[in-house]
Amino acid sequence: DQQVKQNSPSLSVQEGRISILNCDYTNSMFDYFLWYKKYPAEGPTFLISISSIKDKNEDGRFTVFLNKSAKHLSLHIVPSQPGDSAVYFCAASDSNTGNQFYFGTGTSLTVIP
Amino acid sequence: KAGVTQTPRYLIKTRGQQVTLSCSPISGHRSVSWYQQTPGQGLQFLFEYFSETQRNKGNFPGRFSGRQFSNSRSEMNVSTLELGDSALYLCASSLASMGTEAFFGQGTRLTVV
Repeated sequence: DQQVKQNSPSLSVQEGRISILNCDYTNSMFDYFLWYKKYPAEGPTFLISISSIKDKNEDGRFTVFLNKSAKHLSLHIVPSQPGDSAVYFCAASDSNTGNQFYFGTGTSLTVIP
Repeated sequence: KAGVTQTPRYLIKTRGQQVTLSCSPISGHRSVSWYQQTPGQGLQFLFEYFSETQRNKGNFPGRFSGRQFSNSRSEMNVSTLELGDSALYLCASSLASMGTEAFFGQGTRLTVV
């Protein structure tokens, strides 16, 4: 049972425009969320996190939005750059149980120069 | 500050053999988690250790086991290897016991022939 879903396998965006990557979850106990960037045959690189006590967190070009009632989060990248091309994963955990994260299946982002 | 180090990076084993993978977390991090990534299943949680105790375990057979040492280094063992165990095995370390970012190593690519 996939508790974290990324329904868009791929996304293409022009350089300089906004990239919006979406993620949905089903478990209402999830209260901590992470976004990762990943290249093939490498480990995921941590990008940004958000706790359920917030609805927005910003770090440079990256902003994560959390809508708890909809069980939905999104990652905004502004402006998008060719170097952002990679697979992006969202992950969620019930922090009361530790650091066990449930991952989405990933969205492959291509930023076109 | 050194990141998460996984050894070896690549491994080829024969069906029926056993294998041990090693992970050295970021200095000061006491939580170590293991994940399996395959093309069909994405990133699947194996287990988490905190202060030498296994706190969480994913839905994997008993052939998959692990341990954590007093210096927080962790090992993962897979016995009686099957072809389906071929995957990228990722280790992640976290500073705190919960609600904190997980930083991944480069992974160990295991191929079972």
